[in-house]
Amino acid sequence: GDSVTQMEGPVTLSEEAFLTINCTYTATGYPSLFWYVQYPGEGLQLLLKATKADDKGSNKGFEATYRKETTSFHLEKGSVQVSDSAVYFCALIHAGNMLTFGGGTRLMVKP
Amino acid sequence: GAVVSQHPSRVICKSGTSVKIECRSLDFQATTMFWYRQFPKKSLMLMATSNEGSKATYEQGVEKDKFLINHASLTLSTLTVTSAHPEDSSFYICSASPGTASTDTQYFGPGTRLTVL
Repeated sequence: GDSVTQMEGPVTLSEEAFLTINCTYTATGYPSLFWYVQYPGEGLQLLLKATKADDKGSNKGFEATYRKETTSFHLEKGSVQVSDSAVYFCALIHAGNMLTFGGGTRLMVKP
Repeated sequence: GAVVSQHPSRVICKSGTSVKIECRSLDFQATTMFWYRQFPKKSLMLMATSNEGSKATYEQGVEKDKFLINHASLTLSTLTVTSAHPEDSSFYICSASPGTASTDTQYFGPGTRLTVL
């Protein structure tokens, strides 16, 4: 079945550092790919998405490119801020509109 | 963007009582709604999928008689935890989708933290 694998956290960075959170997936066909962010004590928010190969999703300085050849959707940001501290979930939608989530990666940004 | 609300945000109840959680899509019609459960420091687990006017589809291992889901309208779904026990304490999150296509985005509510004493 479908699955999503994320790098385990926590990831601890200093402010203005470069961020990469790896995400790879297993699915047949062409799923849609998402990154969700969960701030402390809150629900999930859609951060960005890509619906076909080579698409790049971007929002709030974050980017991720749908790489079919490597089945990856790595999240990147050039300069993180303390306010980016949160848990980030990679996810895919395939058949039946069911979201499959990765395990989540906690990001901690220190001033 | 699309807004989904949940009520209450926090609830504490005694063991054996029932708790109802509401999920509303505020600015769009949600053809499909989903209920997730999140354990501490874990990812989300899909509990069930519901389409307006029809019975919910539960994931394997989720007791449908314990977690009652009603999707009475295109803007409201409710999850009722019946005869709650301490092991039901968790963070429950709903999401709503305007369609049924596999590319439709799910919009998440802020979650409800349930504590059963």
